[in-house]
Amino acid sequence: NAGVTQTPKFRVLKTGQSMTLLCAQDMNHEYMYWYRQDPGMGLRLIHYSVGEGTTAKGEVPDGYNVSRLKKQNFLLGLESAAPSQTSVYFCASSYLVRSGELFFGEGSRLTVL
Amino acid sequence: KNEVEQSPQNLTAQEGEFITINCSYSVGISALHWLQQHPGGGIVSLFMLSSGKKKHGRLIATINIQEKHSSLHITASHPRDSAVYICAVAKNNNDMRFGAGTRLTVKP
Repeated sequence: NAGVTQTPKFRVLKTGQSMTLLCAQDMNHEYMYWYRQDPGMGLRLIHYSVGEGTTAKGEVPDGYNVSRLKKQNFLLGLESAAPSQTSVYFCASSYLVRSGELFFGEGSRLTVL
Repeated sequence: KNEVEQSPQNLTAQEGEFITINCSYSVGISALHWLQQHPGGGIVSLFMLSSGKKKHGRLIATINIQEKHSSLHITASHPRDSAVYICAVAKNNNDMRFGAGTRLTVKP
């Protein structure tokens, strides 16, 4: 049982390049989240999904897109990376948003030059 | 003003001490989470609260919905408790907000 798996773990991009981060969970969770964590800022929610085929904006959605075509996968895309998107990205999932424990992936460190 | 405020930002304790970390929030919530982030970066969920009090081993979490306040207590602290503790609230619209974290160092 892998839990929540993020790929890739590390990536270096040049400004303007695009990339996709994949979050996969094997717990049949309905809710999935993408966060970014920056020094001194704490975790901030980028986008979230309350079920297959649905997505919603969080606190800092600009510059990111997401898709939840399959229940187990939540993809985070950067269409044109900017240095301000240098961060550590965490994915999480839960069975119920209002009463469910959060399960986090190990994080993905992205550097945009 | 942040929707979730934690205090203190940093906390140093001697092994065995009783520790309290506080979290105040300003929005309507459906649940509050306490998370632990270890120096390696991994994040684990400690508690999810919507009312009252929960206890796991040496950790106790309480929440007062009327006062919009939660506390995390660690009894008989140990160096392995050294980590960043993060308060997170699930808002009524399913969105989530996080505190900036409390960095705890427990010295032997």
